Amino acid sequence: EAGVTQFPSHSVIEKGQTVTLRCDPISGHDNLYWYRRVMGKEIKFLLHFVKESKQDESGMPNNRFLAERTGGTYSTLKVQPAELEDSGVYFCASSQTTPGWPYNEQFFGPGTRLTVL
Amino acid sequence: KNEVEQSPQNLTAQEGEFITINCSYSVGISALHWLQQHPGGGIVSLFMLSSGKKKHGRLIATINIQEKHSSLHITASHPRDSAVYICAVQLRPLQGAQKLVFGQGTRLTINP
Repeated sequence: EAGVTQFPSHSVIEKGQTVTLRCDPISGHDNLYWYRRVMGKEIKFLLHFVKESKQDESGMPNNRFLAERTGGTYSTLKVQPAELEDSGVYFCASSQTTPGWPYNEQFFGPGTRLTVL
Repeated sequence: KNEVEQSPQNLTAQEGEFITINCSYSVGISALHWLQQHPGGGIVSLFMLSSGKKKHGRLIATINIQEKHSSLHITASHPRDSAVYICAVQLRPLQGAQKLVFGQGTRLTINP
């Protein structure tokens, strides 16, 4: 079974440009998460989808970030316009939903390294 | 202060040594995860635990809920264990159970 995949693996853009990151979760996983690690800091939560709905977007830094998950399958994270401080590694993770069970193991993708010049 | 603190931040040891990485947290949790990231690689889940102790091969993870502390041990360490080890906690349901809160990671280097 394929794991969580992310595209692209690397992206180098200039300040002010737009970048779209994509995440394909494990098939059948309703939960999809975006996380980010900026240089020298711990990984931080951005948002959580349950199917196509945003369950928690408390970690989104500002309105330059837009996440979508149309159809409840893959998700995209768009940064527009990108700023220097957006550089970092963006991880996606997915998990199943087990009724009555509060937590499930999250499976991580390889990450997208974003560099904003 | 981060809700999840790991120590040490960096650890260098010789092959064969017993390794301990510590994680303390300050929030109520439903589960704690230990994750591994090799240089240039993705993140792999090692353990998910909510009480007691789990063992997988040379890796052992323990958690003390009362003391809000967990440890990851590696016995007979090997150079291929060199990686960043990350502690992450899953908050209780009313606090947003699904998202993970991460420690800053411990960079482990095992020399031959």
